[in-house]
Amino acid sequence: GEDVEQSLFLSVREGDSSVINCTYTDSSSTYLYWYKQEPGAGLQLLTYIFSNMDMKQDQRLTVLLNKKDKHLSLRIADTQTGDSAIYFCAETPYGGSQGNLIFGKGTKLSVKP
Amino acid sequence: KAGVTQTPRYLIKTRGQQVTLSCSPISGHRSVSWYQQTPGQGLQFLFEYFSETQRNKGNFPGRFSGRQFSNSRSEMNVSTLELGDSALYLCASSLQGLAGGNTGELFFGEGSRLTVL
Repeated sequence: GEDVEQSLFLSVREGDSSVINCTYTDSSSTYLYWYKQEPGAGLQLLTYIFSNMDMKQDQRLTVLLNKKDKHLSLRIADTQTGDSAIYFCAETPYGGSQGNLIFGKGTKLSVKP
Repeated sequence: KAGVTQTPRYLIKTRGQQVTLSCSPISGHRSVSWYQQTPGQGLQFLFEYFSETQRNKGNFPGRFSGRQFSNSRSEMNVSTLELGDSALYLCASSLQGLAGGNTGELFFGEGSRLTVL
């Protein structure tokens, strides 16, 4: 079945780069997304990448997509304490509509000062 | 522009009771999706409504139901509550799907945290 997998925890020092990795199973996914969840809040879309792209850069965020390996990564440059949150990778499942995303279990990013 | 509003934010129920959660989407958004978030299972898709019709349904028992009104507001209902239903229930709205060049962004509310005792 469809599944999205992520490591559960990542700890970095302020100013370093963070790399959060994700593997997905559905090669027909149109878009792949990264969402951020801060404590007590809902999810907020950080960035997305269309499946025919290899890379997307958006200020401090860089998304890399390897379709052959079904691997997606999110790099946060110059990580700040305010980046501490849970980061979710998500894909659109085969035959699903936009509202039905498959999420990974989330990677908790801790940024140490 | 107001965001997605969910009510109530917190509620406590006992086993066997039922609960109704409400979601008001962003103005102009016609699609409303519901997700259950728990520490063990993560985010799981419950259902999606578009123009008052259920467009997709996740793998949840029939105790979980929902509906959407003509103004796009949505409610979900859980009957005969079980301890395992304790979770954060998140509602998300979006325009209308991936057609028309939409990127598929979901806008989430802050959730309704349900505790079943």
